[in-house]
Amino acid sequence: GENVEQHPSTLSVQEGDSAVIKCTYSDSASNYFPWYKQELGKRPQLIIDIRSNVGEKKDQRIAVTLNKTAKHFSLHITETQPEDSAVYFCAAHTGGFKTIFGAGTRLFVKA
Amino acid sequence: DAMVIQNPRYQVTQFGKPVTLSCSQTLNHNVMYWYQQKSSQAPKLLFHYYDKDFNNEADTPDNFQSRRPNTSFCFLDIRSPGLGDAAMYLCATSRKTTGTEQFFGPGTRLTVL
Repeated sequence: GENVEQHPSTLSVQEGDSAVIKCTYSDSASNYFPWYKQELGKRPQLIIDIRSNVGEKKDQRIAVTLNKTAKHFSLHITETQPEDSAVYFCAAHTGGFKTIFGAGTRLFVKA
Repeated sequence: DAMVIQNPRYQVTQFGKPVTLSCSQTLNHNVMYWYQQKSSQAPKLLFHYYDKDFNNEADTPDNFQSRRPNTSFCFLDIRSPGLGDAAMYLCATSRKTTGTEQFFGPGTRLTVL
């Protein structure tokens, strides 16, 4: 069935370092790939997204890359700050009406 | 501010006692979703409405039902809650079903005693 795998499940970095989270998806018809950040006890919020006709998108310290051939997309956070600490979920919108979420990555940024 | 509102934020019920969670939105979005999120896991889609069209996920238990009486409101009914239904329930909305951001409510944390 449709699936999104996300790695790593936990990531710890030093403040100022970069963090990379990787996802792969199974449905080749997937065309939209959002990333959500969920702080402890709060709602998931969209931080960046990318569509299947684009290979890379950047918004300040956050960037997302997409490799459609490999069915792989990644989130890159540069110059990490303690407030970046949260759970990050990747997701893929399939050819139908479905959003499949990855299992999440818990990011710790140590000051 | 336009937003997605969920009530109550915390709900305690007894095993087998029906409970209803509510969600409202001021975004005038066509699509409303209900997700179940257990600790440290990804949100799991239970069902969604596109306008009045109801779409149930294949693995959503019959114990879970939903109603959408109008564009703004959507309800999640759990007919006979079990201990395994304790979770955070997230409502979300989007303008379309594909290719657009989902806006999440703050969630209702359900405890089953």
